Amino acid sequence: DTAVSQTPKYLVTQMGNDKSIKCEQNLGHDTMYWYKQDSKKFLKIMFSYNNKELIINETVPNRFSPKSPDKAHLNLHINSLELGDSAVYFCASSQPSLYGYTFGSGTRLTVV
Amino acid sequence: ELKVEQNPLFLSMQEGKNYTIYCNYSTTSDRLYWYRQDPGKSLESLFVLLSNGAVKQEGRLMASLDTKARLSTLHITAAVHDLSATYFCAVSTVDINSGAGSYQLTFGKGTKLSVIP
Repeated sequence: DTAVSQTPKYLVTQMGNDKSIKCEQNLGHDTMYWYKQDSKKFLKIMFSYNNKELIINETVPNRFSPKSPDKAHLNLHINSLELGDSAVYFCASSQPSLYGYTFGSGTRLTVV
Repeated sequence: ELKVEQNPLFLSMQEGKNYTIYCNYSTTSDRLYWYRQDPGKSLESLFVLLSNGAVKQEGRLMASLDTKARLSTLHITAAVHDLSATYFCAVSTVDINSGAGSYQLTFGKGTKLSVIP
């Protein structure tokens, strides 16, 4: 049973397209996140979502929008994709009282 | 803005040798994490350090935390090739602007470790 699952694992698309990445967690955690890992392996938080409260990293372009249909899902929608959006995107979840963060397997997005 | 600095960023070491990776952070935090990432893979949790003076060990890896110095170390003992990976430290802080008290992780840039036979 995968705790945090992301789909798709790989995504190749053209500039200007709109795409979505899905994330689901079966851990019962209250908070979910999206992180971006760039080509230099640097990990940076994009969003956190807790009890329907969205916290946005101010450096994230508004072309990126998270959507959470329920507590177990946090999807990432990206409009008008740009070359610089190519990266690996990780979904994660956590429960503050339990201290742990669990990461999904990542989605490698390539914009051509 | 919270800064988390790791050094070294690249480490090449021979099997059997010992070495330490350092992680400094710029603000108060009571939670520090170490993760391992293999190429093309996700992040694997290694240690969670929750208090000053905390020390945890797993196999050839030992992590410690000094909250007063805002420093954590990851010590590698008698390295083996299987330890080759990128190691990240991350600091957990609460977003004070969040009514729900949302925690988030801020990562260091990672240390790419290569253990040479």
